[in-house]
Amino acid sequence: GNSVTQMEGPVTLSEEAFLTINCTYTATGYPSLFWYVQYPGEGLQLLLKATKADDKGSNKGFEATYRKETTSFHLEKGSVQVSDSAVYFCALSTSGSSGDKLTFGTGTRLAVRP
Amino acid sequence: EAGVVQSPRYKIIEKKQPVAFWCNPISGHNTLYWYLQNLGQGPELLIRYENEEAVDDSQLPKDRFSAERLKGVDSTLKIQPAELGDSAVYLCASSSGLELSEQFFGPGTRLTVL
Repeated sequence: GNSVTQMEGPVTLSEEAFLTINCTYTATGYPSLFWYVQYPGEGLQLLLKATKADDKGSNKGFEATYRKETTSFHLEKGSVQVSDSAVYFCALSTSGSSGDKLTFGTGTRLAVRP
Repeated sequence: EAGVVQSPRYKIIEKKQPVAFWCNPISGHNTLYWYLQNLGQGPELLIRYENEEAVDDSQLPKDRFSAERLKGVDSTLKIQPAELGDSAVYLCASSSGLELSEQFFGPGTRLTVL
């Protein structure tokens, strides 16, 4: 079956530090990969996505590259801000009978200190 | 454009009582999802609707959970009777179906069963 594994949190960084949140996946077929972000008190929001191998998704300074050879989709940002404090979820979707069902990782909480 | 609306935002009930959650998707979105999010975990799909048809309810515990989407717009998720283990956040999401798996999430309903 499909599964997503992401690094456990919380991750605590100082402002302007470099961020990496690791994500690896197991899937049948050729999944699309996503990062969602959940700010305190809000619903999940799509942060970025990649639909095929070697694609790079990017948004708001965050980037992730779809690496088929390592089955990974690590999230990176060069300089984090306090406003980036949130929970980040890696997810995948495969086509087929389950349609566009999303399989999520357990989430990684990021706290950025001023 | 209004996002996905859910109500109530919070609900506290005693075990064995019934409870219902309501979701209004983004206008024009034909696909609607209900997810369960336990504390410290990623969301897990309960049921997916295409218009008024439930096309994937394989993860819905049908002995106590039910859902409906009359007229293919709003949806209601019900639990009867509630158990202590049902304490969680219930998320609703919708998508247009035009682009694979770009789901828009509501803020969720946090249920506490005492």
